[in-house]
Amino acid sequence: QQQVKQSPQSLIVQKGGIPIINCAYENTAFDYFPWYQQFPGKGPALLIAIRPDVSEKKEGRFTISFNKSAKQFSLHIMDSQPGDSATYFCAASKGASGSRLTFGEGTQLTVNP
Amino acid sequence: ETGVTQSPTHLIKTRGQQVTLRCSSQSGHNTVSWYQQALGQGPQFIFQYYREEENGRGNFPPRFSGLQFPNYSSELNVNALELDDSALYLCASSFGGAGPGELFFGEGSRLTVL
Repeated sequence: QQQVKQSPQSLIVQKGGIPIINCAYENTAFDYFPWYQQFPGKGPALLIAIRPDVSEKKEGRFTISFNKSAKQFSLHIMDSQPGDSATYFCAASKGASGSRLTFGEGTQLTVNP
Repeated sequence: ETGVTQSPTHLIKTRGQQVTLRCSSQSGHNTVSWYQQALGQGPQFIFQYYREEENGRGNFPPRFSGLQFPNYSSELNVNALELDDSALYLCASSFGGAGPGELFFGEGSRLTVL
């Protein structure tokens, strides 16, 4: 059962554009929603995370928007750069099972110069 | 501070064989999780070890087993390999047992089953 659905599968933007990646979850017990960035040949690395008690969180050029009623959250990358080209994964976990993340299927982002 | 290291980085096995993958957790971390990442997919949780005990398991059969050692390093063992076991196996370490927090991933061990 796919508990976290991610879209789009791939995304191409020009430098300076604002790519948006969307995720939807089913399990209302989820209470921690991180985004991970993965470069080829590397393991995923935490980018930013949010809990459902806030609707938005910003860290540098990265913003998470969270809609609890719709069970959706999204990642926005402001002023995107070619170095942001990577695969992005949303994930979710619940309560005491914090390191048991349920990942989305990933979005391959390409930022053209 | 050393990061999460995994070995081997690549290996090829044949169907029915057994494999052991190893992981050294980041300094100070007492929890290790293992994930399977098939090509073009997101990582899937296999299991977690905290204080040398399995502390949560995903939807994987018993032929996937693990160990955590007193120094918090860990092993993932897979018996009776199947073609579908071909994947990148990721180890992640964290501190604090079951609570949510940042996972630090290694670069993975890529297993090919022929």
